Amino acid sequence: QVQLVQSGAEVKKPGASVKVSCKVSGYTLTELSMHWVRQAPGKGLEWMGGFDPEDGETIYAQKFQGRVTMTEDTSTDTAYMELSSLRSEDTAVYYCATAIPGGYFDYWGQGTLVTVSS
Amino acid sequence: EIVLTQSPGTLSLSPGERATLSCRASQSVSSSYLAWYQQKPGQAPRLLIYGASSRATGIPDRFSGSGSGTDFTLTISRLEPEDFAVYYCQQYGSSPPGYTFGQGTKLEIK
Repeated sequence: QVQLVQSGAEVKKPGASVKVSCKVSGYTLTELSMHWVRQAPGKGLEWMGGFDPEDGETIYAQKFQGRVTMTEDTSTDTAYMELSSLRSEDTAVYYCATAIPGGYFDYWGQGTLVTVSS
Repeated sequence: EIVLTQSPGTLSLSPGERATLSCRASQSVSSSYLAWYQQKPGQAPRLLIYGASSRATGIPDRFSGSGSGTDFTLTISRLEPEDFAVYYCQQYGSSPPGYTFGQGTKLEIK
């Protein structure tokens, strides 16, 4: 059974960066395809990017290209998502989730609320 | 990019009734890559259906998925109180590779 535990809530000023972590247990990170999905308050789910095992590369949604970086520390089985140049519209709950090659997300972290406010 | 449109936006039903939720894609989606999720307030989404019609582990058999091409349906045969939540469909596309979600259907108690 995979468990994903995310870091705590963050409050950031516009223009700053935020880095959210996602600790894996039950499996090793190298066995998983980790992705990030966000949800603005009262809104729907939005895929940001993740690891594509077919290419062996991280893919990003076009909307976030150049502003998001997803990394992994396999020594600690921890995935990270860093979003830069924050604006108020980036206020959201950020989830890590594991993707199955069949194209769906089977395990989710508990979510991390990032608030961007001056 | 494929756009998923869910309908209705809100569905008001009573426990014991049957719920039918629709997900329409802007272009054909491989059935293998269509999934449904349930989300309750303050919780992460939970996978219900993958491959358009396969139930995820531990999902009761009152949940079923169907459809192909551009039209997909999630059916809850007999609503239980714990089924009132928001439901999202999601697809995976390979060219370019990526995932998209529908905007969600809120299932509320009538």
